[in-house]
Amino acid sequence: GAVVSQHPSRVICKSGTSVKIECRSLDFQATTMFWYRQFPKQSLMLMATSNEGSKATYEQGVEKDKFLINHASLTLSTLTVTSAHPEDSSFYICSAREAGRVDEQFFGPGTRLTVL
Amino acid sequence: DAKTTQPPSMDCAEGRAANLPCNHSTISGNEYVYWYRQIHSQGPQYIIHGLKNNETNEMASLIITEDRKSSTLILPHATLRDTAVYYCIVRATIKAAGNKLTFGGGTRVLVKP
Repeated sequence: GAVVSQHPSRVICKSGTSVKIECRSLDFQATTMFWYRQFPKQSLMLMATSNEGSKATYEQGVEKDKFLINHASLTLSTLTVTSAHPEDSSFYICSAREAGRVDEQFFGPGTRLTVL
Repeated sequence: DAKTTQPPSMDCAEGRAANLPCNHSTISGNEYVYWYRQIHSQGPQYIIHGLKNNETNEMASLIITEDRKSSTLILPHATLRDTAVYYCIVRATIKAAGNKLTFGGGTRVLVKP
């Protein structure tokens, strides 16, 4: 089956620093990748949709200058949380849709970010 | 996309069938019913999806009512590893919806020995 990986699995950083999270499709080409955020005991909230080679589309209320998304290849998308603050501490999850397939999204294992 | 309603939690016994209901009374004709589950601190896992007909795979069965206003996910023989939050999601055909999955509150299923 299609596998999506995320790196790192968990990260702790100081307030004000930037953190980059990678999302990779390991055995398929992903034309579209999605980034979600999940706070404790809450559901997943879509942050943005990224298409390979074009700018990401952000959901309402998500600051594009704070959450930088790059989808430079068909197997890699990155999310950079710039100038992270404690309120950005969350579980960040990516998903990917395989090129030519419209029925499934494959999710990564998530990255737990803790900002001190 | 149509909104879904699920019970917030349910318990079931190990080895027994688990029946997870979902209401989607405002579903429209081009919307599919998807089920995902999320085990604690992991990413969601796809289970099954359907449009009108009942569906079955190695993980579960999906029963959709004739009017499509509700559905039931059936885990035929629940195991302790099936303990998770189960999300029922209704989504339009891909081009119309931009592939988005909108997660609701889900049902927190606890399988007990």
